[in-house]
Amino acid sequence: AQTVTQSQPEMSVQEAETVTLSCTYDTSESDYYLFWYKQPPSRQMILVIRQEAYKQQNATENRFSVNFQKAAKSFSLKISDSQLGDAAMYFCAYKGRDDKIIFGKGTRLHILP
Amino acid sequence: ETGVTQTPRHLVMGMTNKKSLKCEQHLGHNAMYWYKQSAKKPLELMFVYSLEERVENNSVPSRFSPECPNSSHLFLHLHTLQPEDSALYLCASSQEAALSYNEQFFGPGTRLTVL
Repeated sequence: AQTVTQSQPEMSVQEAETVTLSCTYDTSESDYYLFWYKQPPSRQMILVIRQEAYKQQNATENRFSVNFQKAAKSFSLKISDSQLGDAAMYFCAYKGRDDKIIFGKGTRLHILP
Repeated sequence: ETGVTQTPRHLVMGMTNKKSLKCEQHLGHNAMYWYKQSAKKPLELMFVYSLEERVENNSVPSRFSPECPNSSHLFLHLHTLQPEDSALYLCASSQEAALSYNEQFFGPGTRLTVL
């Protein structure tokens, strides 16, 4: 069975600095998708960025980028120029051939002004 | 209304009560999901409906009963719950397609407290 591990329950970063959130996963599949979701306090969960496993190029969405290491089964999220609005729970997620999405436990990110 | 909406946003109920959670999606999606989010635990997928047919039930206790009358609405009927069922219940929807992005759009959740 696939698993998703986020080893950092909480992190803090100074405003305008860069922070990297870690995610590792375990799977025997070769084709899958990886996601980072953001859940701000008392607000809806939204998709931040996604990566197809067959693509070697790391996905980028404005200040958000990933470091996808398929062999190492690692999928970290880098947030550049952190802003106060980035404070949230961040969930790493995996979707394989059965189309089920498996979430990690999340990392709570604090932005320090 | 746009996106995925859930009502009520907060619910407090006793163990002998019967209540229902409602989810509505305005995105034209054909798949809907119920998740349970407990503190310090990963999101747990409870039920999946695709084209109004239940395709997934992750061994959820029978005190949770889902209903999907059409592709836009999803209910979660609750009865004789336990205090450990207190959690945030999230609804999500997606456009189902095999091995696709299948991005899920989430509702704001219902914060359930069982006394």
